[in-house]
Amino acid sequence: QVQLVQSGAEVKKPGASVKVSCKASGYSFNSYGITWVRQAPGQGLEWMGWVNPDNGHTSYARKLQGRVTMTTDTSTRTAYMELRGLNSDDTAVYYCARSIAEFDYWGQGTLVTVSS
Amino acid sequence: SYVLTQPPSVSVAPGWTARISCGGANIETKSVHWYQQKPGQAPMLVIYYDSDRPAGIPERFSGSNSGNTATLTISRVEAGDEADYYCQVWDSSNDPPYVFGTGTRVTVL
Repeated sequence: QVQLVQSGAEVKKPGASVKVSCKASGYSFNSYGITWVRQAPGQGLEWMGWVNPDNGHTSYARKLQGRVTMTTDTSTRTAYMELRGLNSDDTAVYYCARSIAEFDYWGQGTLVTVSS
Repeated sequence: SYVLTQPPSVSVAPGWTARISCGGANIETKSVHWYQQKPGQAPMLVIYYDSDRPAGIPERFSGSNSGNTATLTISRVEAGDEADYYCQVWDSSNDPPYVFGTGTRVTVL
């Protein structure tokens, strides 16, 4: 069965970077995009960006461009999302999801807390 | 950028029908997908391409899309349907290409 398993919770200081992983199984990894979505406490879903594991192409939300990098390692079927220059507004649960036009399978989420 | 507007909350008694709207300019020209999110859980796809149900989603969940409004309908509402619901569209010509609605909290009375 399709599974996306994310790395564990992180606590970071302002200005630091975080890298979250998302390991896929149960499907052809190169055949679907991986999207990253975040959700701040008590807030809605925010699309962060998308990476194509087949060719590495990416598309990022304009507000995050310059701070975010999304990559994949096809040998380990793992996607990564790195966010730099963290501030308190980046405190959120970060999700990866398998994507075409819709997001049909999601990871369990990774809580990233930014605090001094 | 493209905006999707949902009512913040909908309340419904068990056994009745809940309708959740998702408003967007000419949304009928786009495919709309719907997600259910229960507290502490990841979102789950419940409707895709306006009205298709993934395997395992009850027939009580249905969708439609016309004009400037897409609608998620939950028939014979159960206590377990209490959750946040989000609509979403994809359009490669938009920036950003993926957009979520503002979300609706469904409360079962």
